[in-house]
Amino acid sequence: KQEVTQIPAALSVPEGENLVLNCSFTDSAIYNLQWFRQDPGKGLTSLLLIQSSQREQTSGRLNASLDKSSGRSTLYIAASQPGDSATYLCAVRPGGTSYGKLTFGQGTILTVHP
Amino acid sequence: NAGVTQTPKFRILKIGQSMTLQCTQDMNHNYMYWYRQDPGMGLKLIYYSVGAGITDKGEVPNGYNVSRSTTEDFPLRLELAAPSQTSVYFCASSSSRYEQYFGPGTRLTVT
Repeated sequence: KQEVTQIPAALSVPEGENLVLNCSFTDSAIYNLQWFRQDPGKGLTSLLLIQSSQREQTSGRLNASLDKSSGRSTLYIAASQPGDSATYLCAVRPGGTSYGKLTFGQGTILTVHP
Repeated sequence: NAGVTQTPKFRILKIGQSMTLQCTQDMNHNYMYWYRQDPGMGLKLIYYSVGAGITDKGEVPNGYNVSRSTTEDFPLRLELAAPSQTSVYFCASSSSRYEQYFGPGTRLTVT
């Protein structure tokens, strides 16, 4: 059974700092990995999707990397801003006939203070 | 496009009552999903559907039922609500290969 773990559970940083969020998964036979952002009381917003054949994806100040063989992904946020404060979730989609069923980590709560 | 919409946003149920959570998507996605999120936790899959008339159980299906009569709609039915079903429920949809899009969620309390 796939298990996804995110470290740290919570992170507080001053504005302007670069930071890294970690996601690890136990079964490397994945189809893709997706990073989401969740604001308090809101739904999930997709940030980046990395296919299993890719090593990284970038969107603005966000960069996500994937090392499938070691079961790890990182989300790098450059020059953090207070508006980046949210919970960040990673989710993996298994390979094979999985019909897109995602397994989620428990999330990292990020606080960026001015 | 509205994307994925869910109703209601909030609901309080008494133990033993039933209700249906509505989910609609306008992106013509074949795949649809229901997840629940308990406080401080990630999301867990309840049920999913790969097309109209085709549904299957996820990780935590007990106490729930679904149907999929159209591509757009994927309602989730709670029968005999229990306090353990207090949670936030998210509906999502995707095309077969790409990212999932989520609705805003329904916050359900069972007392």
